[in-house]
Amino acid sequence: DADVTQTPRNRITKTGKRIMLECSQTKGHDRMYWYRQDPGLGLQLIYYSFDVKDINKGEISDGYSVSRQAQAKFSLSLESAIPNQTALYFCATSSSGSYNEQFFGPGTRLTVL
Amino acid sequence: QKEVEQNSGPLSVPEGAIASLNCTYSDRGSQSFFWYRQYSGKSPELIMFIYSNGDKEDGRFTAQLNKASQYVSLLIRDSQPSDSATYLCAVTAPRPVGSSYKLIFGSGTRLLVRP
Repeated sequence: DADVTQTPRNRITKTGKRIMLECSQTKGHDRMYWYRQDPGLGLQLIYYSFDVKDINKGEISDGYSVSRQAQAKFSLSLESAIPNQTALYFCATSSSGSYNEQFFGPGTRLTVL
Repeated sequence: QKEVEQNSGPLSVPEGAIASLNCTYSDRGSQSFFWYRQYSGKSPELIMFIYSNGDKEDGRFTAQLNKASQYVSLLIRDSQPSDSATYLCAVTAPRPVGSSYKLIFGSGTRLLVRP
């Protein structure tokens, strides 16, 4: 089945460490997104990309960076992790030829101590 | 005012009943509307989307859209305990122009289906 995968699924790190979260998809979608979700809150958009050469900031990009290595791969980096970046992180994909229905990966639970 | 508002719940219904989940949005320019189901600790799963006024049915689920009232709802017929989850409403962002790729999510309504 065409799918969206994320690695790692769980990660515990310390304040100040650099960490990378990776996302891969076999759906053939051109658009990819990174969201974070805090307990009891909605999803907040961090970064999005329409193709390999197109990277855009979302609502809460400070402290994060991304790389679109290929159409199927989109990684999120925390340059210097801080405790309030503890959250669930989701990658999502969509097709430019659709109504923008987005499909989510399984998520990464990140804890920054 | 939040852009997408949902009652946080929990909404508790008995097994076999109809569960009605509601969502209002603030911007009349929003074009497409989505319902996602999210189990605790899991990722959002797309259930349905709707873009025209009226009803759209898919199995036990019916999405209803009223653009004049800026209101979208999800009905779940014959509710099952396995339907117990948080339901997220999302709408496409109409502004700035060309932003329809962005989804604005509500905080979700927690549904509990009692056996």
